[in-house]
Amino acid sequence: QSGLTQPASVSGSPGQSITISCTGTSSDVGGYVYVSWYQQHPGKAPKLMIYDVTNRPSGVSNRFSGSKSGNTASLTISGLQAEDEADYYCSSYTSSSAYVFGTGTKVTVL
Amino acid sequence: QVQLVQSGAEVKKPGASVKVSCKASGYSFTSYFIHWVRQAPGQGLEWMGIINPSGGYPTYAQQFQDRVTMTRDTSTSTIYMELSSLRSEDTALYYCTREWRTDAFDIWGQGTMVTVSS
Repeated sequence: QSGLTQPASVSGSPGQSITISCTGTSSDVGGYVYVSWYQQHPGKAPKLMIYDVTNRPSGVSNRFSGSKSGNTASLTISGLQAEDEADYYCSSYTSSSAYVFGTGTKVTVL
Repeated sequence: QVQLVQSGAEVKKPGASVKVSCKASGYSFTSYFIHWVRQAPGQGLEWMGIINPSGGYPTYAQQFQDRVTMTRDTSTSTIYMELSSLRSEDTALYYCTREWRTDAFDIWGQGTMVTVSS
């Protein structure tokens, strides 16, 4: 199973909104509500930001939101802040009872 | 507090095996599945497999099917991941992570660096 497709990089200025896409197939993203997003700062372990497509764990800023349309899921960061600069990965459950991660997106705050 | 603590860095020769441990604490060990995820230097995350600490029953990613073994020791609340026939491409940071609910990996270990070099 190859990785879900994400843009290599996305950038924005402080205060702006950006959206990261995550494209899969009907056997993963399109077939389940089990899509999550992770933030990873350099040298750190990933951190859960969104689960079940749209849900935020306790403690995660409401500036982060998730959505899905067909085989593509999206993560939107509104009111971009310097601390949001990191790598972001999507993940999906699959029809093989496995999981697959996205290729990763580097977010740069200009 | 809830945490997963992994074993230390390893250096192995090609063809050898490595066994990484992941000790859980601060929660009911048998109540949450554990996954293993690896990340090669400068690369993305790669899912390796999952184990149910209660009954065992691991499921492995297809690309690791014949080389990986995941086990657990309920007496010490520890999960193990053994990868055999190591090659240079297996050089990576290996993470264990807890599945809080389907698709939500909420607690991560600190990672174990495995270097494969002759």
